[in-house]
Amino acid sequence: NAGVTQTPKFRVLKTGQSMTLLCAQDMNHEYMYWYRQDPGMGLRLIHYSVGEGTTAKGEVPDGYNVSRLKKQNFLLGLESAAPSQTSVYFCASSQQGARAKNIQYFGAGTRLSVL
Amino acid sequence: DAKTTQPTSMDCAEGRAANLPCNHSTISGNEYVYWYRQIHSQGPQYIIHGLKNNETNEMASLIITEDRKSSTLILPHATLRDTAVYYCIVKNYGGSQGNLIFGKGTKLSVKP
Repeated sequence: NAGVTQTPKFRVLKTGQSMTLLCAQDMNHEYMYWYRQDPGMGLRLIHYSVGEGTTAKGEVPDGYNVSRLKKQNFLLGLESAAPSQTSVYFCASSQQGARAKNIQYFGAGTRLSVL
Repeated sequence: DAKTTQPTSMDCAEGRAANLPCNHSTISGNEYVYWYRQIHSQGPQYIIHGLKNNETNEMASLIITEDRKSSTLILPHATLRDTAVYYCIVKNYGGSQGNLIFGKGTKLSVKP
């Protein structure tokens, strides 16, 4: 009963390096999200997807790209990391509508430091 | 989505009930009140939600006022493991994005 799994859990990058964060869910959810959380703040939406092959920008999309090639996976990419992208990244998934009650399930997070 | 207002922090004695308030005076008729919590360094966890009736599950109770402008999350017998940041969020079931809008929440400290 894995739910939402994020890899890696921790990562340290140098400015300008690239990396991909992987999110996998086993609940057959249509919707998936990437959020970031900075110290003392709530979560902010980076990008989201309403289904396989579709992605859209959230509140803070600059510097990130995403892909949803398979329904169960949602990838977040940083092409050229910057210190401002030091944060904790959370992935979530949900099923919309009255039956699923729009409850979101979150992963454990990826802690990223950009030096 | 309606905006919510919560106290920044609260303390509660272990074994006592924790009552966490939330104001959402601009809530619209089709918006639900959701509560999530985030234990330190973990991902947020769903607790409970409701539309207008009071709700109870194995984790908590949710009391929504008749005018729906405020609500209270009740943890009946708080334990040290309930120390977390609690987020009150209003959201309808649909919407093109479906994402949750998180404020800063209430930091609940349960003390022995």
